[in-house]
Amino acid sequence: GDSVTQMEGPVTLSEEAFLTINCTYTATGYPSLFWYVQYPGEGLQLLLKATKADDKGSNKGFEATYRKETTSFHLEKGSVQVSDSAVYFCALMTGGFKTIFGAGTRLFVKA
Amino acid sequence: SAVISQKPSRDICQRGTSLTIQCQVDSQVTMMFWYRQQPGQSLTLIATANQGSEATYESGFVIDKFPISRPNLTFSTLTVSNMSPEDSSIYLCSVGLAGGRGEQFFGPGTRLTVL
Repeated sequence: GDSVTQMEGPVTLSEEAFLTINCTYTATGYPSLFWYVQYPGEGLQLLLKATKADDKGSNKGFEATYRKETTSFHLEKGSVQVSDSAVYFCALMTGGFKTIFGAGTRLFVKA
Repeated sequence: SAVISQKPSRDICQRGTSLTIQCQVDSQVTMMFWYRQQPGQSLTLIATANQGSEATYESGFVIDKFPISRPNLTFSTLTVSNMSPEDSSIYLCSVGLAGGRGEQFFGPGTRLTVL
């Protein structure tokens, strides 16, 4: 079945460090891919998305490129801030709005 | 986008009792979803609740345990019945918008603790 695998956390970085959170997927067909973020005490919110191969989603300095050949959608940010501390979920949707989420990666950013 | 509110935001309940969680959306939506997020875990879809049809439950979840109502396009409830400590979790509702590109909008969640 369809699945999403993302790197285990927690990830601890200093402010202004480069961030990569790896995400790979298994899916039949051509899924849409998403990164959601969950700040402490809040619900999930969409961070960025890509709906077809080679699309790049971007938002708030975060980027991810839909790589069909490697079935990957890695999240990157060039310079993280303390306010980026949160849990990040990679997700895919193949149809009917049914979305499969990865396990989540907790990010801690130290000042 | 859509703004979603949930009530209650948290509750502590005794085993064997039931709790009904409400989800209110600020616009009319067809597709609504209920998820469970156990501590430190990812989201697990409980059921899809589309207005005008019976809720569709995922494997491992049954209507007797998690009855859902969807009386109109802006509101839904999820009941957690005959609770046990294993039901302690965060329950989230979300919606998908027609014409959107598959993204979902989530409520803030209901944190349930069962003693």
